[in-house]
Amino acid sequence: AQSVSQHNHHVILSEAASLELGCNYSYGGTVNLFWYVQYPGQHLQLLLKYFSGDPLVKGIKGFEAEFIKSKFSFNLRKPSVQWSDTAEYFCAVRSGNNRLAFGKGNQVVVIP
Amino acid sequence: DGGITQSPKYLFRKEGQNVTLSCEQNLNHDAMYWYRQDPGQGLRLIYYSQIVNDFQKGDIAEGYSVSREKKESFPLTVTSAQKNPTAFYLCASSQASSYNEQFFGPGTRLTVL
Repeated sequence: AQSVSQHNHHVILSEAASLELGCNYSYGGTVNLFWYVQYPGQHLQLLLKYFSGDPLVKGIKGFEAEFIKSKFSFNLRKPSVQWSDTAEYFCAVRSGNNRLAFGKGNQVVVIP
Repeated sequence: DGGITQSPKYLFRKEGQNVTLSCEQNLNHDAMYWYRQDPGQGLRLIYYSQIVNDFQKGDIAEGYSVSREKKESFPLTVTSAQKNPTAFYLCASSQASSYNEQFFGPGTRLTVL
């Protein structure tokens, strides 16, 4: 079964700092990759996704992610975070069927 | 507005009682899913359904049951056999094609006393 690893469960940083969240998956075949975000008190929503093509994907709110097939990774980045980026971030991978495997999430707190 | 609704938002039950969580979608999606979210555990798949009258077990199906009698509805029953039912439950839906994202409802927080 597919497994997804997210490191550094709790991340605390100041506004304007850069953010990078790591995501690694286990399956070596064709995959679809997603980052979801859950803001405090809100439902889970899609931040960005990768299916094929350019491995550098741009999402909403200035986020981007890079798919590196050789490293089985799909890391999320934002050059300069804002207080409103405080949220929990989940990486998800789909391989072979319509099921998603989620990582355990990164709780990000941005200090004003 | 199109979307996914889950009710109620908060639910309290006594230990040993079965409880049913509602999930309705008006997105005309074929596939629906139930996840359980625990702190530090991410989302774990309980059951999913790719078409009406058909559903499959996910990774943690024990102690849960579902039905899919209508395309727009996918209720989840948490039975007394579930050993640790207190959790946040999320419902999602998607088009059946593998090239589509899942959309999530607002969730139901179940507390078993």
